[in-house]
Amino acid sequence: DTEVTQTPKHLVMGMTNKKSLKCEQHMGHRAMYWYKQKAKKPPELMFVYSYEKLSINESVPSRFSPECPNSSLLNLHLHALQPEDSALYLCASSPTRPNTGELFFGEGSRLTVL
Amino acid sequence: GIQVEQSPPDLILQEGANSTLRCNFSDSVNNLQWFHQNPWGQLINLFYIPSGTKQNGRLSATTVATERYSLLYISSSQTTDSGVYFCAVSAGGATNKLIFGTGTLLAVQP
Repeated sequence: DTEVTQTPKHLVMGMTNKKSLKCEQHMGHRAMYWYKQKAKKPPELMFVYSYEKLSINESVPSRFSPECPNSSLLNLHLHALQPEDSALYLCASSPTRPNTGELFFGEGSRLTVL
Repeated sequence: GIQVEQSPPDLILQEGANSTLRCNFSDSVNNLQWFHQNPWGQLINLFYIPSGTKQNGRLSATTVATERYSLLYISSSQTTDSGVYFCAVSAGGATNKLIFGTGTLLAVQP
């Protein structure tokens, strides 16, 4: 069983909706990540948080808004999405000592935008 | 940025066969991981192997960092081995930014 938990597993939303994806880990990791994966493609990095601070934003559109309320939780707030944003969204965490530590992924949240 | 290429892109095996998957990367790395993505989308950690050789049951991996490649060996394949295999690397720096390779789609037939 994965130690990174993502909810919901499936989400369908309209282009005017506001929704959130949630991620939780209890491994004491201080780095957390959001990746986006389109069908038949590799995962692509969106955001990295280190010690609850945003350290990388890979030029992601502002309709995606990440939030790290504490060291165990990571949210991705969604607003005014487009159908092309439909994808599998993966959360991961890793130790920060060393900074090359192994990443562990959750099961993903499969998003469909109508 | 760093480029990660995997080969072959697709592979079909009969159950019981052995296979070798390759990952080439364009720059020095200090993190390399192999994942198996199951049909439900979950990425399962296989190996954390920035250098050297590791074995776990029927799977083993070798990374030759100086020559910028890694190999994943699957022996006596089973139908449950089917799925997509990714290698992912990080070139270090202040943040562990893991970049995924292009993937190998493996189908093991009974």
